Amino acid sequence: IVLTQSPSTLSLSPGERATLSCRAGQSIDRSLAWYQQKPGQPPRLLIYGASNRATGTPARFSGSGSGTDFTLTISSLEPEDFALYYCQQRNNWPLTFGQGTRLESK
Amino acid sequence: QVQLVESGGGVVQPGRSLRLSCEASGIPFSASGMHWVRQAPGKGLEWVAMIWSDGSDEFFADSVKGRFTISRDNSKNTVDLQMNSLRAEDTAVYYCARDKGTRYMDQWGQGTLVTVSS
Repeated sequence: IVLTQSPSTLSLSPGERATLSCRAGQSIDRSLAWYQQKPGQPPRLLIYGASNRATGTPARFSGSGSGTDFTLTISSLEPEDFALYYCQQRNNWPLTFGQGTRLESK
Repeated sequence: QVQLVESGGGVVQPGRSLRLSCEASGIPFSASGMHWVRQAPGKGLEWVAMIWSDGSDEFFADSVKGRFTISRDNSKNTVDLQMNSLRAEDTAVYYCARDKGTRYMDQWGQGTLVTVSS
């Protein structure tokens, strides 16, 4: 299943709201996760099952969507939130990731 | 404290083989499915393989099917990735990751770099 993330790069300032999109090539119910990756580090699970925050994920991160369209929202950006974000589907084998959205500081 | 430590990376010629290993601590390893995920330099994440907690089933990305195998030793808390017939496009940092129980990956190692080059 192909996952398409948009935009490729998002330039925002601290305190602003960020909205990242992930679109699946076919319906995947709510079988989607979001990961954050910072330079030189492994990914970190943020959201699973489309809207469930993983242990340690701050409340400013929220996920929504079902079927083919999903959104990761960061309500008010903190400096540490500027990173790469990937979505991943688990509905079908092989598991697949989106190509990523780079969230950069304006 | 959860730790996943990968080893075995290095430089290898095209067509040759390499075996990666991941040792886990701080998790109920024998109850955990385990994944390998790779990331080519400057590129995104690519899921590679998964093995069930008891080793009874395995799944692979199409790009590695028939060339890579995955195995585990629950007595040693290790999961291995045997990579055969390596290609330049297999060059990547290889991460092992713990399955949350739902085919999401909730614990990750720091990765080991594999470079396939003549």
